[in-house]
Amino acid sequence: QSVLTQPPSVSETPGQRVTISCSGSNSNIPTKYVSWYQQLPGLAPKLLIYRNDQRPSGVPDRFSGSKSGTSASLAISGVRSEDEGDYYCAAWDDSLNGPVFGGGTKLTVL
Amino acid sequence: EVQLVESGGGLVQPGGSLRLSCVGSGFIFSAHWMSWVRQAPGKGLQWVANVKQDGSQKYYADSVKGRFIISRDNAENSLSLQMNSLTADDTAVYFCTSSLYDFWSGRFDNWGQGTLVTVAS
Repeated sequence: QSVLTQPPSVSETPGQRVTISCSGSNSNIPTKYVSWYQQLPGLAPKLLIYRNDQRPSGVPDRFSGSKSGTSASLAISGVRSEDEGDYYCAAWDDSLNGPVFGGGTKLTVL
Repeated sequence: EVQLVESGGGLVQPGGSLRLSCVGSGFIFSAHWMSWVRQAPGKGLQWVANVKQDGSQKYYADSVKGRFIISRDNAENSLSLQMNSLTADDTAVYFCTSSLYDFWSGRFDNWGQGTLVTVAS
């Protein structure tokens, strides 16, 4: 059971917009930065979003992050087949005194 | 280009020990706080431990506290994880990560390719 809750899977057709939710609690998301990671098959995770909505250099602006209350979301616009993989949210948790991850969401591009 | 290269993984018996290493290049190692994050086969990501830039402060997940020790050598641009009293639940790919900012967050800027640790008899 992960501290941050994500849907196990989402799917969408190419070119459409897909969102992935991340639900937390008062000890993490509301007062802490949320990060998002992309893990393509067989590869290490890659930082996609940091500080809730900031993109590292090189990450396409098709990827965007947002946060409201105890939840955060990752949106991918114009989804492509190469976006297929697993996506994880993460944040610091004050109760556990450490970073926590969501369980991950598998994105399938139909 | 930032590079993190882990080594030291392998097969170890329950109750045994293993030491993982990570060498960083392409960035100012001493300016980054470093972490280990693991991923059990077919499972999600789990933070294991992190250490601040000068090595003075170290933090551990409850699941490894008292068994694992994280350390760094800034002169050698290296990070280590000494793992003791290993159990099957420690079986995972262990990733070395680095970040420049936001220590009190879930931000891990750079990742190595990972090294597999298998605990089995």
